[in-house]
Amino acid sequence: RKEVEQDPGPFNVPEGATVAFNCTYSNSASQSFFWYRQDCRKEPKLLMSVYSSGNEDGRFTAQLNRASQYISLLIRDSKLSDSATYLCVVSNFGNEKLTFGTGTRLTIIP
Amino acid sequence: DGGITQSPKYLFRKEGQNVTLSCEQNLNHDAMYWYRQDPGQGLRLIYYSQIVNDFQKGDIAEGYSVSREKKESFPLTVTSAQKNPTAFYLCASSGGTLGAEKLFFGSGTQLSVL
Repeated sequence: RKEVEQDPGPFNVPEGATVAFNCTYSNSASQSFFWYRQDCRKEPKLLMSVYSSGNEDGRFTAQLNRASQYISLLIRDSKLSDSATYLCVVSNFGNEKLTFGTGTRLTIIP
Repeated sequence: DGGITQSPKYLFRKEGQNVTLSCEQNLNHDAMYWYRQDPGQGLRLIYYSQIVNDFQKGDIAEGYSVSREKKESFPLTVTSAQKNPTAFYLCASSGGTLGAEKLFFGSGTQLSVL
């Protein structure tokens, strides 16, 4: 089983819709969780950290479910500019390595 | 402006040739990393360095080498022993214990074999 698994998509969603995707992780000791956004052939950029209580940043909401070992990302009122690949990232406390998922590709359709 | 710079943007390698990818940061970050990304794949860690003059192998270090002689610089050499070097290479840095600090990425180097 992969350490971090994501549905690769692609997800093709009409503009204005709400879209959500999950990411599962295998190591129950994982401590830190992030969502990164990557545009085609560009570097990944941090979208948001994921906190235990869940957190929201504008149209984006991240949730963590430790019991089921997954994190989720919800995008409301999707925009064309949201089209990108979303990478789930997990790390363990004291572990120098971040583990990246393969990414979920999202395309917002006009 | 502070940031992390990778060069070149595109690099071509001949069979049996070593090539070096440059990564420089002026963020005063202690930690620096090299990742490889293949099409449709996540990022895989090649090498990382938490402090000057020290570095550790990541998950796919074979065929690669690094040095960390200066805090600002972390060059990656792709040696002839790396039989499948074609990929997108990303350098990153962070200011603290990984997991607690965000990663800052360079814009990447696309390496192709002629």
